[in-house]
Amino acid sequence: EAAVTQSPRNKVAVTGGKVTLSCNQTNNHNNMYWYRQDTGHGLRLIHYSYGAGSTEKGDIPDGYKASRPSQENFSLILELATPSQTSVYFCASGDRGVTLYFGSGTRLTVL
Amino acid sequence: GDSVTQTEGLVTLTKGLPVMLNCTYQTTYSPFLFWYVQHLNEAPKLLLKSSTDNKRTEHQGFYATLHKSSSSFHLQKSSVQLSDSALYFCALSDPSSGSWQLIFGSGTQLTVMP
Repeated sequence: EAAVTQSPRNKVAVTGGKVTLSCNQTNNHNNMYWYRQDTGHGLRLIHYSYGAGSTEKGDIPDGYKASRPSQENFSLILELATPSQTSVYFCASGDRGVTLYFGSGTRLTVL
Repeated sequence: GDSVTQTEGLVTLTKGLPVMLNCTYQTTYSPFLFWYVQHLNEAPKLLLKSSTDNKRTEHQGFYATLHKSSSSFHLQKSSVQLSDSALYFCALSDPSSGSWQLIFGSGTQLTVMP
C-alpha cells in the first residue's frame, strides 16, 4: 500500500505566525499535491509539484508557499497565517493518472 | 474553466435501499473521471475511475458509467450498507496534462440508517 505521511496531525497557530505543514511519501511518485478541505467546497488545490525542485500554483495559492526539496518531501508554508486558513489540509502523491494517494490530513486552527 | 457538480449535499437512506449520487462535469477535453470516498476522520481513497465512454466500472459493489454525451458519471449501488456512510467526491482530471491534478466536486455526504 502506498504511503503518504503528514505532520503534524493537528496544529494551532496564532494570526500572523508562520506555519509549516510537512508531507513525506514513499511511493516514488513524481507528482505531489496540497489540497485544503472545507465544508461545501470539497477539496481545492493549493500547490503541486512535478518533482524535486519544482512547485506550481494550483487554484487557490494566495497566502501559501510550497517547497519540494526532494522526491519524498513536500511542504506547505503559511508565512503569515490568518483565521481564513483554518481548514483541514491534505497532501497527496500520484503519477500518470494512477490513483492519488492521500495522507491522513492536518487539522489547522488559526486563532 | 473545468468544473464538477454534485447536486446533493446530503443523502440519507435506510440500509438495503439503492442509491445514486449525481455527478456532472464541464470540460473542453476528454477527461478521466473519479469517485473518491472519505470515511469520518480518514483520508480520501479512490473508489472508481474511468475514461471510457459508456463502459460500466465497478468496485466494492459500487458502479458508475461515464457518459460523455451527457457529461455525467453518477455513482450507484443496489443495496447500501451501514459501512457505506461516508463523504463521496466526484473528480475529473485531464489526461493530456502532466500534472494529473484533480478537480473535485463539493462532495455528497451519504448517511445509511439501520
